[in-house]
Amino acid sequence: NAGVTQTPKFRVLKTGQSMTLLCAQDMNHEYMYWYRQDPGMGLRLIHYSVGEGTTAKGEVPDGYNVSRLKKQNFLLGLESAAPSQTSVYFCASSYSGGKETQYFGPGTRLLVL
Amino acid sequence: AQKVTQAQTEISVVEKEDVTLDCVYETRDTTYYLFWYKQPPSGELVFLIRRNSFDEQNEISGRYSWNFQKSTSSFNFTITASQVVDSAVYFCALKGRGTSYGKLTFGQGTILTVHP
Repeated sequence: NAGVTQTPKFRVLKTGQSMTLLCAQDMNHEYMYWYRQDPGMGLRLIHYSVGEGTTAKGEVPDGYNVSRLKKQNFLLGLESAAPSQTSVYFCASSYSGGKETQYFGPGTRLLVL
Repeated sequence: AQKVTQAQTEISVVEKEDVTLDCVYETRDTTYYLFWYKQPPSGELVFLIRRNSFDEQNEISGRYSWNFQKSTSSFNFTITASQVVDSAVYFCALKGRGTSYGKLTFGQGTILTVHP
């Protein structure tokens, strides 16, 4: 099993450009999450999904959109990238939202110039 | 509101020293779950342990041990006889029962450097 995978691994964007980050999991998990990691701030939740076809806002959702058309995939979109969105993005998944552990992908490093 | 504090921003030790990483949490939930994750220089987040709030038994796994104390709201992580491969950023995280989707609140992380 690959676990949680993310593409791309690294990307450079110019301000105003758009892009989509793809997260895929092969563990049949219901719940999926997108976090961003910034220096000294730990990880903060952007959006999450509790099942196929559902999405919801986390702590820092502004400037991002998500879609969960298939259970195994969770897409994070930036419609008009800004330098403040320079960060490392992590996707995670879990079987459910209770005690279950969230397992993380390898991360996507995004630089917005 | 939930909060996790890792007061130690950076720790530097020499190989074979023991080191303890502190984690203090705040939550109003009576049932909650605590986690430790490791982020090595390669960047991925590796799950280390999960502890339920109703289970205060300490846990030992090889050179790693965890001390959970509800009375002081702490969940500290000790590495015995540290090795260079232990160099990483370590995150403590909290998940309460207050949200259905399992909101995970992370501390700021502690950078551990183990020198040979």
